[in-house]
Amino acid sequence: DTGVSQDPRHKITKRGQNVTFRCDPISEHNRLYWYRQTLGQGPEFLTYFQNEAQLEKSRLLSDRFSAERPKGSFSTLEIQRTEQGDSAMYLCASNPNRSRADTQYFGPGTRLTVL
Amino acid sequence: AQKVTQAQTEISVVEKEDVTLDCVYETRDTTYYLFWYKQPPSGELVFLIRRNSFDEQNEISGRYSWNFQKSTSSFNFTITASQVVDSAVYFCALSEARRGAQKLVFGQGTRLTINP
Repeated sequence: DTGVSQDPRHKITKRGQNVTFRCDPISEHNRLYWYRQTLGQGPEFLTYFQNEAQLEKSRLLSDRFSAERPKGSFSTLEIQRTEQGDSAMYLCASNPNRSRADTQYFGPGTRLTVL
Repeated sequence: AQKVTQAQTEISVVEKEDVTLDCVYETRDTTYYLFWYKQPPSGELVFLIRRNSFDEQNEISGRYSWNFQKSTSSFNFTITASQVVDSAVYFCALSEARRGAQKLVFGQGTRLTINP
């Protein structure tokens, strides 16, 4: 069974550039989540999708952030005009949403460094 | 509002010692779920256990055990006979069942170092 995959694993960019990350959830998992983790902190919720619908966004998700899941499978997270404060690990998770108890399974993350 | 507190920022023990990681949570809901995840240096969060608010039975899985006490809002994690491979950051997390997102609220994590 293939787990959640994320690409790239590492991204270094200059301030002001745009970056895009990709997440491929576990097959047939209809819920997909994005979290952000800064150094020394626990992950913080950013947004989630049920199939292709984006159902909730955190206040952490500024206007420079946009996420999509166009066909209800993989998802992309784009950050426009990156700032140094965007440097973090971006984690993706998925679950089958069969019940409210379903566990979220995480990918390896994309570590973003903004210079 | 939901909150998870892991007061122990770092713990260091010698191999084969027992170690307990503390987790205290806050929620207004009567139905909720608690989780522990392990984050090794590679960065991926590895699921360890899920417990729902109606099940206060303690659980043991090999060298791992979990003590859920609703009266004190705690969900502590004990590793018995620790091994170097247990070195990682451990996160406790809470999910409120009645909310649609089932989003996880994490504690700040406890960095556990097992020295040989």
